[in-house]
Amino acid sequence: DTGVSQDPRHKITKRGQNVTFRCDPISEHNRLYWYRQTLGQGPEFLTYFQNEAQLEKSRLLSDRFSAERPKGSFSTLEIQRTEQGDSAMYLCASSSGLAVYNEQFFGPGTRLTVL
Amino acid sequence: QKEVEQDPGPLSVPEGAIVSLNCTYSNSAFQYFMWYRQYSRKGPELLMYTYSSGNKEDGRFTAQVDKSSKYISLFIRDSQPSDSATYLCAMFRMDSSYKLIFGSGTRLLVRP
Repeated sequence: DTGVSQDPRHKITKRGQNVTFRCDPISEHNRLYWYRQTLGQGPEFLTYFQNEAQLEKSRLLSDRFSAERPKGSFSTLEIQRTEQGDSAMYLCASSSGLAVYNEQFFGPGTRLTVL
Repeated sequence: QKEVEQDPGPLSVPEGAIVSLNCTYSNSAFQYFMWYRQYSRKGPELLMYTYSSGNKEDGRFTAQVDKSSKYISLFIRDSQPSDSATYLCAMFRMDSSYKLIFGSGTRLLVRP
């Protein structure tokens, strides 16, 4: 499968614990995005990488959130001291940047439940 | 107020009906307008995109953009049960990130 993959698909954690999610973009896609989607809402932008550089972060991304993309390949999103409000689907998307309309290909998401 | 507004539905139609899905937006700087389809527990997938104003057709799907009214539409002809999904409008400015701004999605159910 050559699409965007995310791991784990589901994560259940207790409030206060740290969690880390991984995203593997489509090979050679230099743009990588993280979005968060809550029930009944559309995805909301969290952060953007071009290669290994994190170029934009949303105000939604509090100090408890950190994202990395070492070597411009896979990316990780870490949430420290999780809160119940962090429960959501975390989506990763990648694009090649070659098409002017910048089609973003989404992974299946990681569903986080904070108890 | 959200930058992109979309009626959440649900919208229930019989098989074969014409479906109309709509979004309004407030930021006149948006230049590309997309429609994504999302099946339950899956990531969104791009259906169609339109640049600026105008119409675009792809099979049973037609996308329309009216920038003067800040209004976009997706029409589905001869709807099928397999079209049952959540449809998300999204748009972006050609700035440094090209991040997508999504509507809340409309859930569509096509009854056999």
